[in-house]
Amino acid sequence: AQTVTQSQPEMSVQEAETVTLSCTYDTSESNYYLFWYKQPPSRQMILVIRQEAYKQQNATENRFSVNFQKAAKSFSLKISDSQLGDTAMYFCAFMNNNAGNMLTFGGGTRLMVKP
Amino acid sequence: GAVVSQHPSRVICKSGTSVKIECRSLDFQATTMFWYRQFPKKSLMLMATSNEGSKATYEQGVEKDKFLINHASLTLSTLTVTSAHPEDSSFYICSAREGPAWAKNIQYFGAGTRLSVL
Repeated sequence: AQTVTQSQPEMSVQEAETVTLSCTYDTSESNYYLFWYKQPPSRQMILVIRQEAYKQQNATENRFSVNFQKAAKSFSLKISDSQLGDTAMYFCAFMNNNAGNMLTFGGGTRLMVKP
Repeated sequence: GAVVSQHPSRVICKSGTSVKIECRSLDFQATTMFWYRQFPKKSLMLMATSNEGSKATYEQGVEKDKFLINHASLTLSTLTVTSAHPEDSSFYICSAREGPAWAKNIQYFGAGTRLSVL
């Protein structure tokens, strides 16, 4: 079974600054995907970024980028130029491509962007 | 992007009644849908995986007779909470995966349903 750990329950960052959210996972699989989802106060889950395990290049989406360290089983999310709208819960998630494409979520990190 | 609609967004019911929650993929066919439960300030816990035209697969500890799942078409899955009790009060979220497994591995989420059982 896979486990996903987010060691930072809460974080805060000043507007326009950069923040990094940590995520580690444990798996014996080699074929998998990793995701970061954002859940704002509306509670709508929004996909932020996606990484295929077989790709060495770190995924980027505008102000969001990841640092994927496969050997260390680490998948951190960096948010650059933080905006007030980035305030949300952030969940790291693991998907085993060989097990029905189920998502296993971490416990979440609550991010507050301060003006 | 792909849109998943979930209804109702909020439901309040009396103890002992049944509640049905719908999850629809609006602009794509979803061969697989997932149902999650989220407690306040907690993460999402997978309840069951719903495949079109077949029985749902429930996670360990989830009562299949309590939480009935039907996935009758490629765009609709329903979750029925039967004989609801206050401990069933929670936030329920569905998600849908577009297309076959090899094509995409992104789950799109509905906006969730807040169930309150009095």
